[in-house]
Amino acid sequence: AQSVTQPDIHITVSEGASLELRCNYSYGATPYLFWYVQSPGQGLQLLLKYFSGDTLVQGIKGFEAEFKRSQSSFNLRKPSVHWSDAAEYFCAVMGSYIPTFGRGTSLIVHP
Amino acid sequence: GAGVSQSPRYKVAKRGQDVALRCDPISGHVSLFWYQQALGQGPEFLTYFQNEAQLDKSGLPSDRFFAERPEGSVSTLKIQRTQQEDSAVYLCASSSPESSAGELFFGEGSRLTVL
Repeated sequence: AQSVTQPDIHITVSEGASLELRCNYSYGATPYLFWYVQSPGQGLQLLLKYFSGDTLVQGIKGFEAEFKRSQSSFNLRKPSVHWSDAAEYFCAVMGSYIPTFGRGTSLIVHP
Repeated sequence: GAGVSQSPRYKVAKRGQDVALRCDPISGHVSLFWYQQALGQGPEFLTYFQNEAQLDKSGLPSDRFFAERPEGSVSTLKIQRTQQEDSAVYLCASSSPESSAGELFFGEGSRLTVL
């Protein structure tokens, strides 16, 4: 069975500061990994994905994530956060054909 | 429109009522997913269609939940005899073979409140 753990329910950062959101997954082989963002009242939007190859992947809105097999992690990073990044962030793992989502991390951005 | 469309956006039902939630996926998308998102939680898988075939319904929480996609496009999620624990946002997502595997395009969801 596949599963995702996002250990931080809330993260608060100041605008302009760097950001790292943690994600750990459980799956027997190398999975497909995703980060989605959800703004209030909106559907989820794909930020980036990892399938294979380079373990550092770039996404939209200046986000990047690094796949670390040894740690079963796929943490999301951004060097400088903007107020518009305040949202809910979901990590997802897909082993077969159905993505499984974590419970999400709520990002709060202080001016 | 170009995106996934869901209706109604908000639904209030009295306990015991039946509800039907509609999803209109992106044109040409063969795969369609339904997820349930409780308050403060991540999306939980309910069911998956490929065209009109329901290939996986393992996430449906009870036999009160039923989904269909008779012509391989629009899908309806029906909940019979609603209970308070059914209160959640129901998300529909679609994908195509041409899009990156696993990349889902989500609708804005239907928020169901059961009183």
